[in-house]
Amino acid sequence: SAVISQKPSRDICQRGTSLTIQCQVDSQVTMMFWYRQQPGQSLTLIATANQGSEATYESGFVIDKFPISRPNLTFSTLTVSNMSPEDSSIYLCSVVLAGTYNEQFFGPGTRLTVL
Amino acid sequence: GDSVTQMEGPVTLSEEAFLTINCTYTATGYPSLFWYVQYPGEGLQLLLKATKADDKGSNKGFEATYRKETTSFHLEKGSVQVSDSAVYFCALKTSYDKVIFGPGTSLSVIP
Repeated sequence: SAVISQKPSRDICQRGTSLTIQCQVDSQVTMMFWYRQQPGQSLTLIATANQGSEATYESGFVIDKFPISRPNLTFSTLTVSNMSPEDSSIYLCSVVLAGTYNEQFFGPGTRLTVL
Repeated sequence: GDSVTQMEGPVTLSEEAFLTINCTYTATGYPSLFWYVQYPGEGLQLLLKATKADDKGSNKGFEATYRKETTSFHLEKGSVQVSDSAVYFCALKTSYDKVIFGPGTSLSVIP
């Protein structure tokens, strides 16, 4: 297994501002993803974070709203831009570790509240 | 497209009762199937998995069998405990390495 950390663990933000969430893994990773879990809902994939290139976004998510960077194999950031109360969610990164077949491991999540 | 359907919750059981949470899926190809668990206030944890038809995943007394003929992956436990209270998510991994989650089933076990 691996240790996946996210910063911040939670935040309360004002409408119209932006927040950048960091995800760091202590092992080699083949794939990284960002998910959103809205209150009382299941997880929805936002995008696949690609190292050194633009992320691959799912339908309904756009780069201007959720810019993602992945400068190296073990680190990625997700920015939630121009926030509104509807963006209040838990944001989770997940990874597929090198040497594992197809398991995704999840970070602890970042709980975001937008006022 | 690929999707996962789970039985609606919440489910409330008495301690030591038998648990079944139904999960069915729609997918092209041969997906891998997972059950994840989210305990109150905690992150998502992989509970068990199965990668091909007729595989049985098991962990912590929970079991699920990959049934290709019925496209199902039902979660079972013979005797639940209060500590099993959590939200359970059925999920599948597509051929493109994307994980698609079901809506989740909330389980409450009462003493």
